[in-house]
Amino acid sequence: GAVVSQHPSWVICKSGTSVKIECRSLDFQATTMFWYRQFPKQSLMLMATSNEGSKATYEQGVEKDKFLINHASLTLSTLTVTSAHPEDSSFYICSARSPERTGGTGTEAFFGQGTRLTVV
Amino acid sequence: GIQVEQSPPDLILQEGANSTLRCNFSDSVNNLQWFHQNPWGQLINLFYIPSGTKQNGRLSATTVATERYSLLYISSSQTTDSGVYFCAVADGNFNKFYFGSGTKLNVKP
Repeated sequence: GAVVSQHPSWVICKSGTSVKIECRSLDFQATTMFWYRQFPKQSLMLMATSNEGSKATYEQGVEKDKFLINHASLTLSTLTVTSAHPEDSSFYICSARSPERTGGTGTEAFFGQGTRLTVV
Repeated sequence: GIQVEQSPPDLILQEGANSTLRCNFSDSVNNLQWFHQNPWGQLINLFYIPSGTKQNGRLSATTVATERYSLLYISSSQTTDSGVYFCAVADGNFNKFYFGSGTKLNVKP
């Protein structure tokens, strides 16, 4: 079964509103979580890395005030798209990793099922 | 950051054929994974393979870390193998996880 659960799977919102996406690790404590964005027919673009209890590290060009990331616990990270606009419409995917889940010194990453955001 | 290149970008196979997908990376890594993205966008973990060789049914993968490449082998391909295959690597501190551009596979019946 899935080890990382993302919710919602899809969302439609009006321009100017905010949308929150949740990412949960189901059977392990995720010390680090990643958020990605994927445009149609393109690869995944890393937006930010979050560690539990500390501020997220954003990639260059990603607006931290627009894409708010909170990693409040070892099993939950949230991405809030604030004042969404049509250009924010995209597929957002979270990922979590933990040496505990992989075993030994491994660092396998597991992905949520993604959230398709449409801003109208 | 680490550059990840995948080849070929597109691949069309007849059902039953074998194929090899390649992933080259520009620096030493402590994690390499192969994924299959299904039509709904879900990334399915295929292999966690920072080095060595692994096999899972019709799929196998080999990573030669010293030469900075990894190969994914698909044997006796099936139409359900269609989709996009991604290679992703993490740097030494696993602070970032980088994806290649993917190989789009189309297996025809």
